[in-house]
Amino acid sequence: NAGVTQTPKFRVLKTGQSMTLLCAQDMNHEYMYWYRQDPGMGLRLIHYSVGEGTTAKGEVPDGYNVSRLKKQNFLLGLESAAPSQTSVYFCASSPPFYGYTFGSGTRLTVV
Amino acid sequence: GEDVEQSLFLSVREGDSSVINCTYTDSSSTYLYWYKQEPGAGLQLLTYIFSNMDMKQDQRLTVLLNKKDKHLSLRIADTQTGDSAIYFCAERVPDKLIFGTGTRLQVFP
Repeated sequence: NAGVTQTPKFRVLKTGQSMTLLCAQDMNHEYMYWYRQDPGMGLRLIHYSVGEGTTAKGEVPDGYNVSRLKKQNFLLGLESAAPSQTSVYFCASSPPFYGYTFGSGTRLTVV
Repeated sequence: GEDVEQSLFLSVREGDSSVINCTYTDSSSTYLYWYKQEPGAGLQLLTYIFSNMDMKQDQRLTVLLNKKDKHLSLRIADTQTGDSAIYFCAERVPDKLIFGTGTRLQVFP
């Protein structure tokens, strides 16, 4: 079982560039999440989805957009990258009311 | 509001027990979780406890829940160097998990 797969694993962007991070899960989970992890800040929720075609804002949504066109995929977009978006990004999925399965993370550097 | 708090660091000697503590605020939480994150890796589910339980034991891991005080703890018996990692507690609220900031456990020989 692949579980939750994130691509790419590493990326360096220039300020102002755009990119999309892809998260794919093969567990038929309803819920999917995007977090960012910064030193000393723990995990902060960016956006999440409770089902195909739905999205909702987390605690730090500004500068990011998401789409959940298919149940198994959750895309995180940065339209105009800023150095403040340098972080490690984690995707997770879960059935309703249960714990998460996490991906291995994407390390993004914006220069 | 929803908040989960943990101490930032814990240092123990190999072979001793480690106890990582966590407090949460939402009394309606159904499940509470412990995750482990090793350097450069994602978060891995260690164990969980349902809110109507007081204790759960799983090999070297013991989870204690004091629902009245909204306090959760993770005890690791016979701590090994491979247990060095960041440990996150999390409470389940509708639609998502609320995570603590993580406790960095350092195990020294």
